Amino acid sequence: GAVVSQHPSWVICKSGTSVKIECRSLDFQATTMFWYRQFPKQSLMLMATSNEGSKATYEQGVEKDKFLINHASLTLSTLTVTSAHPEDSSFYICSARDPDSDTQYFGPGTRLTVL
Amino acid sequence: GQNIDQPTEMTATEGAIVQINCTYQTSGFNGLFWYQQHAGEAPTFLSYNVLDGLEEKGRFSSFLSRSKGYSYLLLKELQMKDSASYLCAVMDSNYQLIWGAGTKLIIKP
Repeated sequence: GAVVSQHPSWVICKSGTSVKIECRSLDFQATTMFWYRQFPKQSLMLMATSNEGSKATYEQGVEKDKFLINHASLTLSTLTVTSAHPEDSSFYICSARDPDSDTQYFGPGTRLTVL
Repeated sequence: GQNIDQPTEMTATEGAIVQINCTYQTSGFNGLFWYQQHAGEAPTFLSYNVLDGLEEKGRFSSFLSRSKGYSYLLLKELQMKDSASYLCAVMDSNYQLIWGAGTKLIIKP
């Protein structure tokens, strides 16, 4: 079964609003979680690395004030897309690393549509 | 439940051919993806199959049989740089990705 969950699966919002996406590791405690963005049939683009208890590390070109990441516990990281615009519409995927096995598990993704 | 099965690890020799299998049981089917992931990097897209058959792209080919819930990724003329994890993922009827755990491919000279 799934070891990483995301909520919500789908979200449609109006331009200018904020959307929060949750990523949970179900069977292990993840000190590190990753947030990706994917456009159709393209590679996953790493947006940021989220470390529990510390600030996230953002990839070049990703606005940290627009994509707020909070890794408040060992099983939960959240990505908030602030003041969303239509160009933010995408498939957002998180992953979590199990430190015991050093295996990275991917979530099912969240499809964001900004009108 | 939904699940994707692929071998945990495979070893092959440089210059040879290797086939990585993936079997799946999902709620609906909207395509199957193969990704390559080098350690510490984001997964890169290799292929997408939604219809039965073989899709060839250079040294890499991907095959799908929807009736059997089966796919494979075929890598030819293996190079050392092909050492990586290969992830199989199926998009279900809700357009959610169901991920396999990945196959670590080790290439030996």
